[in-house]
Amino acid sequence: DAMVIQNPRYQVTQFGKPVTLSCSQTLNHNVMYWYQQKSSQAPKLLFHYYDKDFNNEADTPDNFQSRRPNTSFCFLDIRSPGLGDAAMYLCATSRDHGLSGYTFGSGTRLTVV
Amino acid sequence: KNEVEQSPQNLTAQEGEFITINCSYSVGISALHWLQQHPGGGIVSLFMLSSGKKKHGRLIATINIQEKHSSLHITASHPRDSAVYICATTGTASKLTFGTGTRLQVTL
Repeated sequence: DAMVIQNPRYQVTQFGKPVTLSCSQTLNHNVMYWYQQKSSQAPKLLFHYYDKDFNNEADTPDNFQSRRPNTSFCFLDIRSPGLGDAAMYLCATSRDHGLSGYTFGSGTRLTVV
Repeated sequence: KNEVEQSPQNLTAQEGEFITINCSYSVGISALHWLQQHPGGGIVSLFMLSSGKKKHGRLIATINIQEKHSSLHITASHPRDSAVYICATTGTASKLTFGTGTRLQVTL
């Protein structure tokens, strides 16, 4: 089945230690999104790629970076995780900026210790 | 800026009950999405609507564009329906605007 896969499902990292979260898709969608979702809150868009074009949200901290080496993969890098970065990180894809809908991954729950 | 509001915030129902979750939004949109999120889990897209009504199994979603309102109905609810249901809209900027979510608990 075509899908969006996030690895790992759970990630524990040390305060200040760089961490990378992974998202892959078999849908061949143009757009890949990264959302941060804190407990009992709505997801917050961090950035998205339309093909190779990177689009950062204005309020996304510099601590968060992303890479998309090819159509299938997108990575979220947190350069120096703080306690406030503990959250669920959701990857989503769409073929055409949501005109045909979105497909979400299962998320990676990040714990910072 | 589009505001998306859902009601109720929390809902408890007994197995078998008919459930309705409401969503209203403030500006014109290109599409409305109903999403489901189980505790600690990822998001599953249930419906995308731009007009009318859609049905999938026990789930029915309707939208009234003139009134800027959508409803999600669950017929013959089951404990496995327990989850957070999120209404989200896409507008001209093609970004999702999320509602606050409705936490549904279905008991035996």
